[in-house]
Amino acid sequence: GENVEQHPSTLSVQEGDSAVIKCTYSDSASNYFPWYKQELGKGPQLIIDIRSNVGEKKDQRIAVTLNKTAKHFSLHITETQPEDSAVYFCAASIRGTDKLIFGTGTRLQVFP
Amino acid sequence: DTGVSQDPRHKITKRGQNVTFRCDPISEHNRLYWYRQTLGQGPEFLTYFQNEAQLEKSRLLSDRFSAERPKGSFSTLEIQRTEQGDSAMYLCASSYLQGHTEAFFGQGTRLTVV
Repeated sequence: GENVEQHPSTLSVQEGDSAVIKCTYSDSASNYFPWYKQELGKGPQLIIDIRSNVGEKKDQRIAVTLNKTAKHFSLHITETQPEDSAVYFCAASIRGTDKLIFGTGTRLQVFP
Repeated sequence: DTGVSQDPRHKITKRGQNVTFRCDPISEHNRLYWYRQTLGQGPEFLTYFQNEAQLEKSRLLSDRFSAERPKGSFSTLEIQRTEQGDSAMYLCASSYLQGHTEAFFGQGTRLTVV
């Protein structure tokens, strides 16, 4: 079955710096890769996603890149702000089931 | 529509008791998923429905767990004879079929078994 690995587990940055979180997946049939932000005591919130027919997607300060050959995808946050502090999860799913296999999460702390 | 709604938000129960959680998905969404999340981990898939049909169950879903989605609307997840290892956040998500894969999560139900 699919396995998703995520690094780093914690990431501390100064406000205004960039943050990068990386994930790898094992199943080449995976074709959808969302990223979720989870704040304490809340459910995961979808922030951006990418499908296997696209190499990069951007939404304001957030971008995601996908390398299908290497089976890895990354989240890039630019100009970080303290409110970006949260746990971020990557996930992968295979068309048809749409069930998500999550990574283990990255705790991002942005210091003012 | 305010998104996926879960009830209750918190539940404390004694070991051996039965508990039931409810999820109300986004109204036009055909698919409904249950996940479990333990501290410091990502959500783990439990089961999912397409309308009222339960299409897949994870190995994590032991015989003590049962999920239903009558009439393809809200869903319930019941845990019988709870154990301390059942303590976790139970998350519900929904998505719209026909090409849309984005899944939106509720706030979760945090279960504590004492």
